[in-house]
Amino acid sequence: DAGVIQSPRHEVTEMGQEVTLRCKPISGHNSLFWYRQTMMRGLELLIYFNNNVPIDDSGMPEDRFSAKMPNASFSTLKIQPSEPRDSAVYFCASSFGTGPYGYTFGSGTRLTVV
Amino acid sequence: KNEVEQSPQNLTAQEGEFITINCSYSVGISALHWLQQHPGGGIVSLFMLSSGKKKHGRLIATINIQEKHSSLHITASHPRDSAVYICAVSPITGTASKLTFGTGTRLQVTL
Repeated sequence: DAGVIQSPRHEVTEMGQEVTLRCKPISGHNSLFWYRQTMMRGLELLIYFNNNVPIDDSGMPEDRFSAKMPNASFSTLKIQPSEPRDSAVYFCASSFGTGPYGYTFGSGTRLTVV
Repeated sequence: KNEVEQSPQNLTAQEGEFITINCSYSVGISALHWLQQHPGGGIVSLFMLSSGKKKHGRLIATINIQEKHSSLHITASHPRDSAVYICAVSPITGTASKLTFGTGTRLQVTL
């Protein structure tokens, strides 16, 4: 298995533009998580899905952020419109089940909004 | 006060030294995770444990549930161990998948 695959690895965009981050979880994993990492706040959970259904999106900062999981092998995190304060590394992770099982993280997308 | 506290925040060691990173938490947990993040790199899950001790190569993780404390030990440290080590806990109530993270310990191992 290639692990959790995220794209793009790096994204530089202008303020106000729409940004879409993509994630392919490990086959067979039924929980998917989106995290954001900044120097100031460390790692924060934005949203997670179980069996393609959003379970907890309380970490999504505001309405500019949205996430979808149309099927078991694909998820997107969209920011529209983007702002400089959204600059961060966004990680996707997957696991099997909703219990405290081992996680596999993707390599992350480094987003810079100028 | 953060629910997960790590110490030290920064650590410099010489190659070969024995290293200990500590993690204390204030909530009930179902499991504790140790993660490793190399500079500019992704996050790797090192251990998930709910009791006792686990060992993988030169890495050892221990947890004391009563004291709400875990340690990550690195024996015979090497420059390639230089990374940020992050402690995270899965809550005992609610959804166990919702990890709470420590702020990380930045380790630098020099020759």
